[in-house]
Amino acid sequence: KNEVEQSPQNLTAQEGEFITINCSYSVGISALHWLQQHPGGGIVSLFMLSSGKKKHGRLIATINIQEKHSSLHITASHPRDSAVYICAVSQNRDDKIIFGKGTRLHILP
Amino acid sequence: EADIYQTPRYLVIGTGKKITLECSQTMGHDKMYWYQQDPGMELHLIHYSYGVNSTEKGDLSSESTVSRIRTEHFPLTLESARPSHTSQYLCASSPEWASYEQYFGPGTRLTVT
Repeated sequence: KNEVEQSPQNLTAQEGEFITINCSYSVGISALHWLQQHPGGGIVSLFMLSSGKKKHGRLIATINIQEKHSSLHITASHPRDSAVYICAVSQNRDDKIIFGKGTRLHILP
Repeated sequence: EADIYQTPRYLVIGTGKKITLECSQTMGHDKMYWYQQDPGMELHLIHYSYGVNSTEKGDLSSESTVSRIRTEHFPLTLESARPSHTSQYLCASSPEWASYEQYFGPGTRLTVT
């Protein structure tokens, strides 16, 4: 079993829909990351959080430390949001990051 | 905006060739990382460095080697490329004072024929 699990693996939605991507982890963490990877392969860090909630534009990330669960929400989704969204955690014991397999999001116009 | 660069972005090379993938960052970060990512799969750490003259192997076994002679430069070398090395290679760096946050390069997509 992977230490970081994401769901769904693939998601197709219509433009304007509210999107939720979930991440569960089984290790002790110091921080959780949400990353965006575009088809060209480049990775952009969207959020790094260790508690509560963060918002940036149409993106919202939440984390529940007790339940070891995080969600990434996209409001008013747009075709340019189409990408792979990766959840990753920094472990307590070292600086290494464990990555989930990613959620492939496709927003239809 | 992160200032971390990788060259080449794409490389197609024959079996047995020696190749070096370049990674440079201009942010003065001490920590640097190399990840390997197969299509549709998660990233795996193959090498990391805590600073000049420091290199460590990551969680995923790799036939590649790295060096860290200068803070800004962390090249990855394959002495004899094989088709099994076909993958995407991503370089990242992080500052000592906020080592949980990593900045990623654009990646090098390597194909070995």
